[in-house]
Amino acid sequence: EADIYQTPRYLVIGTGKKITLECSQTMGHDKMYWYQQDPGMELHLIHYSYGVNSTEKGDLSSESTVSRIRTEHFPLTLESARPSHTSQYLCASSRDRGREETQYFGPGTRLLVL
Amino acid sequence: QKEVEQNSGPLSVPEGAIASLNCTYSDRGSQSFFWYRQYSGKSPELIMFIYSNGDKEDGRFTAQLNKASQYVSLLIRDSQPSDSATYLCAVDIQGAQKLVFGQGTRLTINP
Repeated sequence: EADIYQTPRYLVIGTGKKITLECSQTMGHDKMYWYQQDPGMELHLIHYSYGVNSTEKGDLSSESTVSRIRTEHFPLTLESARPSHTSQYLCASSRDRGREETQYFGPGTRLLVL
Repeated sequence: QKEVEQNSGPLSVPEGAIASLNCTYSDRGSQSFFWYRQYSGKSPELIMFIYSNGDKEDGRFTAQLNKASQYVSLLIRDSQPSDSATYLCAVDIQGAQKLVFGQGTRLTINP
């Protein structure tokens, strides 16, 4: 059973507001990821981190930023939310176990920007 | 060509039948392959992973890997309505150090 948490689960916010989506895991995983997924559409990797103070942009360009100051915490920030940011944001983590490295997903945050 | 490709479906299968889901990948050096299930509005959950050629069975699920042909499949025996979901194939692309997901196949099991 994976212990990865995301808050808030749902967020409705106005255009121009700054928001931070929280993601925490208690499994001691080194690697953490943020994905964006629109309803019925594929997952898009937007950020990942392989450890503290390490962050990289993913395959899909995103205006969001991330930080990794603690192993267990990987927050995502949008400085100025826009309606185009409306989507579901999924956080995941994994431990480097070679071929058996498995990503575990959090429950997701559904964001609606008005 | 996408790194990981799946038929997006929808795939409709009668209850009790075998559902067969396929995935192809482009990188011959890929070592690990994963199948995730995602219910509507929920996050993906791992069903199986496989890294050796051949079959791997877990309950009603069987993963099949053929590295020479660069495909991996998932068979669901005795399909149940609760199996209705989107199934995501993920591949550990060599050198990428991260999983690459296919677009998913939407499966519907009809009672």
